[in-house]
Amino acid sequence: DADVTQTPRNRITKTGKRIMLECSQTKGHDRMYWYRQDPGLGLQLIYYSFDVKDINKGEISDGYSVSRQAQAKFSLSLESAIPNQTALYFCATSENDGGGNTGELFFGEGSRLTVL
Amino acid sequence: AQSVTQPDIHITVSEGASLELRCNYSYGATPYLFWYVQSPGQGLQLLLKYFSGDTLVQGIKGFEAEFKRSQSSFNLRKPSVHWSDAAEYFCAVGALGNFNKFYFGSGTKLNVKP
Repeated sequence: DADVTQTPRNRITKTGKRIMLECSQTKGHDRMYWYRQDPGLGLQLIYYSFDVKDINKGEISDGYSVSRQAQAKFSLSLESAIPNQTALYFCATSENDGGGNTGELFFGEGSRLTVL
Repeated sequence: AQSVTQPDIHITVSEGASLELRCNYSYGATPYLFWYVQSPGQGLQLLLKYFSGDTLVQGIKGFEAEFKRSQSSFNLRKPSVHWSDAAEYFCAVGALGNFNKFYFGSGTKLNVKP
């Protein structure tokens, strides 16, 4: 089983609908991230969380919200989806800063969202 | 401003040929540099990273990268490309103590000709 699991892997929805993308991890990491990938733009950070009580906005948080239900779970919500939110979404984890932190991000396989 | 530039959107090389993917960065602090690979339908996987010390770093799958501070570059190389290397490659920069602030390049898609 994958260390970082995203559900659903694919979703087609309509404008105005509420969508939740879920992420769970078995790596035991405190830090979790949601990124968005658009062709030619690389990855952009939407939200990140350093622990259950710590949630922070990234570069492109408008139109998105998140919930850190537990250390292992971090969900991304689109309250009212719009077509320009069509993208590939990645969840990632990393270790805390400090001794031994390699800075490496561990990614899920992605959730492809299409908003019609 | 912090940024990462990968000037080549697509590169095609023949199997067995050498490869170099370019990455230039702009970063105010001492950079920690990464190369990730994304195979079709997969998430990103770390190839290698540079934190300090020897400027030539070795990674998985036979890849290496060289950090050149004077050129603000961190180019990825492989002496002999295999068909399985066809993927998209992303360069990223961050800083210890600020790893929430990774900056990714826009990626280079590698095609490998038989």
